[in-house]
Amino acid sequence: GAGVSQSPSNKVTEKGKDVELRCDPISGHTALYWYRQSLGQGLEFLIYFQGNSAPDKSGLPSDRFSAERTGGSVSTLTIQRTQQEDSAVYLCASSFLLRGDANYGYTFGSGTRLTVV
Amino acid sequence: ILNVEQSPQSLHVQEGDSTNFTCSFPSSNFYALHWYRWETAKSPEALFVMTLNGDEKKKGRISATLNTKEGYSYLYIKGSQPEDSATYLCAYMDSNYQLIWGAGTKLIIKP
Repeated sequence: GAGVSQSPSNKVTEKGKDVELRCDPISGHTALYWYRQSLGQGLEFLIYFQGNSAPDKSGLPSDRFSAERTGGSVSTLTIQRTQQEDSAVYLCASSFLLRGDANYGYTFGSGTRLTVV
Repeated sequence: ILNVEQSPQSLHVQEGDSTNFTCSFPSSNFYALHWYRWETAKSPEALFVMTLNGDEKKKGRISATLNTKEGYSYLYIKGSQPEDSATYLCAYMDSNYQLIWGAGTKLIIKP
């Protein structure tokens, strides 16, 4: 596609339920990042995928969080047994290179706003 | 602990006025400094990627400077317009390509 697409754009879920967030990066972009932004905080790194390398999961806050990237393209971020502190905007970004484009950095999706009630 | 600080946290500016805000970052292991604009309900959009000490970049009415030795970057907006209202994010990238983000400066332009 022309840009990075994320779905759903908004998700309200009950505490304890599982949720799945989807990111469709720009075609050909080998690097894909997941971030989240909680209210009043900076972007918090969650996980990145780079080509066929093992993903860097060092930012995942707990074992309730997992992510997959199938066929080097679409990625899903799964949060199991959601808690209220998981409420945040979840952003996906992609680029050709891990370090981003020299002029344009990373291309972001418009995010999924997750609210856990 | 590596930290990226942005100030001020929020800013109200009269339409037509010029403004600037700051991003402070670690001066060690520097690779690049990114600036993004994030409008509500939209995607963060890259403004500048800066790598060299003393770099100055410009895009229309927006410009940025970089001092890697002392660890700061300024973003300037000349003649603010309502469409400039957004959160401006900076991110420091180290030599391992790890990005650390500031919490942003929320800019509100008053017509």
